[in-house]
Amino acid sequence: EVQLEQSGAEVKRPGATVKISCKASGYTFIDNYLHWVRQAPGKGLEWVGRLDAEDDETIYADDFQGRVTITADRSADTAFLEMSSLRSEDTAVYYCATDGVSVGLNPFDYWGQGTLVTVSS
Amino acid sequence: DIQMTQSPSSLSASVGDRVTIACRASQTIGNYLNWYQQKPGKAPKLLIYGAFSLQSGVPTRFSGRGYETDFSLTISSLQPEDFATYYCQQTYNTPPTFGQGTKVEVK
Repeated sequence: EVQLEQSGAEVKRPGATVKISCKASGYTFIDNYLHWVRQAPGKGLEWVGRLDAEDDETIYADDFQGRVTITADRSADTAFLEMSSLRSEDTAVYYCATDGVSVGLNPFDYWGQGTLVTVSS
Repeated sequence: DIQMTQSPSSLSASVGDRVTIACRASQTIGNYLNWYQQKPGKAPKLLIYGAFSLQSGVPTRFSGRGYETDFSLTISSLQPEDFATYYCQQTYNTPPTFGQGTKVEVK
């Protein structure tokens, strides 16, 4: 059974850095991209970036360039999202998702349960 | 970036109703169009991929159609568990982009 297990909720001050994790199981971690998607309270889904765990290649959304880093520990089948210079607008649930594990055309077919990041002074 | 526009943003319907949600892409995306269902406090769930293919385990009352720029999701007979928010997404190119969502509410 494919599962993505995310780390727990975080509360950070403005300007701080947060690092959250996503542990994959049930499939070969390096065979599929691992994406991060966020959802601010009451808002829609926003793609943050993605990692190719096979070669550590990353692509980030323009809005997050320079402020976000996605990495992986292949020995632990775990991906990480690090976001710096946090501001209140970064308060959101952050989801990890993998694409194309079960089907073609790369839909996001498996999702983590989400990690709430709250930025507040 | 490819913009995805859903309509309507919300709708009210009753159990048993036929419901259709539209999604338009700002440029052609072939059939790289996916639909997700999201309930409050939960992660999105893949319903349809490749514009019309039903994900395993998804009830057959859900169907998708369309190609290039215009797509739709239809629920043939709305069930109580279908009241949720629905998102379309293109995975034709990077960045993958989502529509703004359509909330299906109880009439």
